[in-house]
Amino acid sequence: DAGVTQSPTHLIKTRGQQVTLRCSPKSGHDTVSWYQQALGQGPQFIFQYYEEEERQRGNFPDRFSGHQFPNYSSELNVNALLLGDSALYLCASSPGTDTQYFGPGTRLTVL
Amino acid sequence: GENVEQHPSTLSVQEGDSAVIKCTYSDSASNYFPWYKQELGKGPQLIIDIRSNVGEKKDQRIAVTLNKTAKHFSLHITETQPEDSAVYFCAARGPQWAGTALIFGKGTTLSVSS
Repeated sequence: DAGVTQSPTHLIKTRGQQVTLRCSPKSGHDTVSWYQQALGQGPQFIFQYYEEEERQRGNFPDRFSGHQFPNYSSELNVNALLLGDSALYLCASSPGTDTQYFGPGTRLTVL
Repeated sequence: GENVEQHPSTLSVQEGDSAVIKCTYSDSASNYFPWYKQELGKGPQLIIDIRSNVGEKKDQRIAVTLNKTAKHFSLHITETQPEDSAVYFCAARGPQWAGTALIFGKGTTLSVSS
């Protein structure tokens, strides 16, 4: 049984560009949450998707948007990239509101 | 909103010793407290969790205690091994009607020397 998978592993972008990150949840999980982890910090909640709808959102600007597909996979989009968006982006899946399991993350570097 | 404080930020122990990491939370409505272990270059891995209707939970060398009155919870690792070296994060989650976002502490870097 595959765990949570994320792609790509690493990504380098320049300021002002847009980026899309992808996540496939564990089998049987229907809820996907996204977190941003800056170097040396704990993960910070961005938003959560359930039944293709954004169910909860953290304190992140509208430049951060997402989508969930009928197969429960999800995308995180970030527009107008800033240097401060450089971080590890983590996807976590869960069966409904239960325990969250994290993927390996996508390392985004903004130059 | 919820705020989670974690300490110490770094912890060095000898192999075989015990390690204790402590966290406090601010929202008395929080009812679920997971602990994650993150190794270099990897995502956080759930190692143990506790719900607010339980005071203590054990899984082999790992245990978590919860004091709801004081709003703090702790991770205890006994008989530490070099492979326990990693960054450990505590987290708190509020009642499900309020959303299921996890609020994390800033992490503790545990180093176990042999």
